[in-house]
Amino acid sequence: QKEVEQDPGPLSVPEGAIVSLNCTYSNSAFQYFMWYRQYSRKGPELLMYTYSSGNKEDGRFTAQVDKSSKYISLFIRDSQPSDSATYLCAMSAVGNTPLVFGKGTRLSVIA
Amino acid sequence: GAVVSQHPSWVICKSGTSVKIECRSLDFQATTMFWYRQFPKQSLMLMATSNEGSKATYEQGVEKDKFLINHASLTLSTLTVTSAHPEDSSFYICSAWESGANVLTFGAGSRLTVL
Repeated sequence: QKEVEQDPGPLSVPEGAIVSLNCTYSNSAFQYFMWYRQYSRKGPELLMYTYSSGNKEDGRFTAQVDKSSKYISLFIRDSQPSDSATYLCAMSAVGNTPLVFGKGTRLSVIA
Repeated sequence: GAVVSQHPSWVICKSGTSVKIECRSLDFQATTMFWYRQFPKQSLMLMATSNEGSKATYEQGVEKDKFLINHASLTLSTLTVTSAHPEDSSFYICSAWESGANVLTFGAGSRLTVL
């Protein structure tokens, strides 16, 4: 079993839809959870960061962490075509150490 | 927020030549930087951890003599791809932890094409 599992998609939704992206992990020591957005031929851009369990909201984005289930989610409300990108979940047990990434989910929001 | 600058963003070179990629933390000090490689439609693969003032730590399967990493200051790490071959063509991305914020920030990446 890989440390981090993420469905690569592709996921295609109409504009305005609510998007749900998820990752599961096996290492119970993970405490730092991040979601990155990567446009084609660009470096990943940090979207959301969560420490330990709980929810975090930032504009149209909500990140959820359920450590008991080893499951994290990113919700995008009122999705826009500009949200079309690859979304990568990433996590680590300790700060200042390499992140373990999911494979990324390719999202297309159709106008 | 923290900014990581990476240069060049795109480089094309002939087989057998060496290419240097620079990674700078612009507004914070980074004792540790990470170098990743990403092939098309695949996720990021960690190549090595670059430690300021000491040797880099390479991941299994990454040739340290081919991918030379130097982290001479708290704001600069370099990756040199020596004797590059077409199979080294990839997207190389650096990142750095912003201490205290516990956030990993990425550079924009460098696309290497070896002819």
